Amino acid sequence: ETGVTQTPRHLVMGMTNKKSLKCEQHLGHNAMYWYKQSAKKPLELMFVYSLEERVENNSVPSRFSPECPNSSHLFLHLHTLQPEDSALYLCASSQTLAARTDTQYFGPGTRLTVL
Amino acid sequence: DAKTTQPNSMESNEEEPVHLPCNHSTISGTDYIHWYRQLPSQGPEYVIHGLTSNVNNRMASLAIAEDRKSSTLILHRATLRDAAVYYCILRQAGTALIFGKGTTLSVSS
Repeated sequence: ETGVTQTPRHLVMGMTNKKSLKCEQHLGHNAMYWYKQSAKKPLELMFVYSLEERVENNSVPSRFSPECPNSSHLFLHLHTLQPEDSALYLCASSQTLAARTDTQYFGPGTRLTVL
Repeated sequence: DAKTTQPNSMESNEEEPVHLPCNHSTISGTDYIHWYRQLPSQGPEYVIHGLTSNVNNRMASLAIAEDRKSSTLILHRATLRDAAVYYCILRQAGTALIFGKGTTLSVSS
């Protein structure tokens, strides 16, 4: 049990669909992250939130839209995705963004397939 | 971002020690060295971190070179469950973890 949960665990969607990925952390952390992991590639950082404010957006296409309504929840809204967006989407959290000693805790990921 | 270099893959036998190397010649004085691992079909998990001194915990040991330009993650007795991708990451203040390709560790019985 890592304290970070993600739903759904698997998602298949068409290119015209709109869906949302949900992440919840039960650790009282103040920073949350979205990563993308495509097949055979390293994790790519997508978005960073600290104290519910977005502090980093790594050139992610606008078809991915994050939302952080409170410090425990993070969403990734998806619309008009492309097949190349099929990947494992991982959420993580840490106590703070600032401390170099903070550990990031990851959820199990959502396996997304875009048809 | 400060870079790390790791071998693409390593092999080990069960119950033997494993030394996973990492080079980080451009490390700054305030960067912490973190190690994470990712088991198949799971998200990454924290293993260990350190700054200058060697560190031990229940999972592994971290040996840091005196000049901090390299480090080694030591698994004292590898098990089949240790087969994973191991990532060496330099953690800077105010940033998220940036992952490289890591080292894929295979463990044979």
